[in-house]
Amino acid sequence: DTEVTQTPKHLVMGMTNKKSLKCEQHMGHRAMYWYKQKAKKPPELMFVYSYEKLSINESVPSRFSPECPNSSLLNLHLHALQPEDSALYLCASSHLTPGLARGYEQYFGPGTRLTVT
Amino acid sequence: AQKITQTQPGMFVQEKEAVTLDCTYDTSDPSYGLFWYKQPSSGEMIFLIYQGSYDQQNATEGRYSLNFQKARKSANLVISASQLGDSAMYFCAMRGYNFNKFYFGSGTKLNVKP
Repeated sequence: DTEVTQTPKHLVMGMTNKKSLKCEQHMGHRAMYWYKQKAKKPPELMFVYSYEKLSINESVPSRFSPECPNSSLLNLHLHALQPEDSALYLCASSHLTPGLARGYEQYFGPGTRLTVT
Repeated sequence: AQKITQTQPGMFVQEKEAVTLDCTYDTSDPSYGLFWYKQPSSGEMIFLIYQGSYDQQNATEGRYSLNFQKARKSANLVISASQLGDSAMYFCAMRGYNFNKFYFGSGTKLNVKP
């Protein structure tokens, strides 16, 4: 099973709202990722969690707040977003242990399409 | 620094024919990995194939093969017998020593014509 699930599929929020994106995987992966993708562009890395600890923050504005409650779940809390934050938000996961995945390939969820009005 | 270049913004191929999507890379890491992902219009990034920098043989996965030419720093994706369902955006990606961090190319939009 190589499935990563994300909820919701679509989200429309105002600039004063607080919302959360959720991601879940049951592949035993110990690394989880958040990416932001604008139309016709490659994904841009936002955050990486390794063994439930934040290991990479790509200088993301504080209006985005990640959380990794356990090894299967990843959240992205959103607050006071701007219209330019409208994008597809992708979650991914991968193994960290040598031997479990030859390439440490990342498996992606279907994404959440976020519109900020 | 790592860099991935895809020079074909869009390509057309006739159904049942083979197509090659180009990817070149640059890295100073002696060990690295190269990946191809497919992204249909629905949005999900689908992992297709992986090639390690020390792999002697080119990777193959069903109709997908990776033409790895290390000296030329290229990792082209070959799709044999194209199908209508292959119409999608294709991204080449690389990771170096920091295997948590992937670098993506700008993508190639493939259209398969019936």
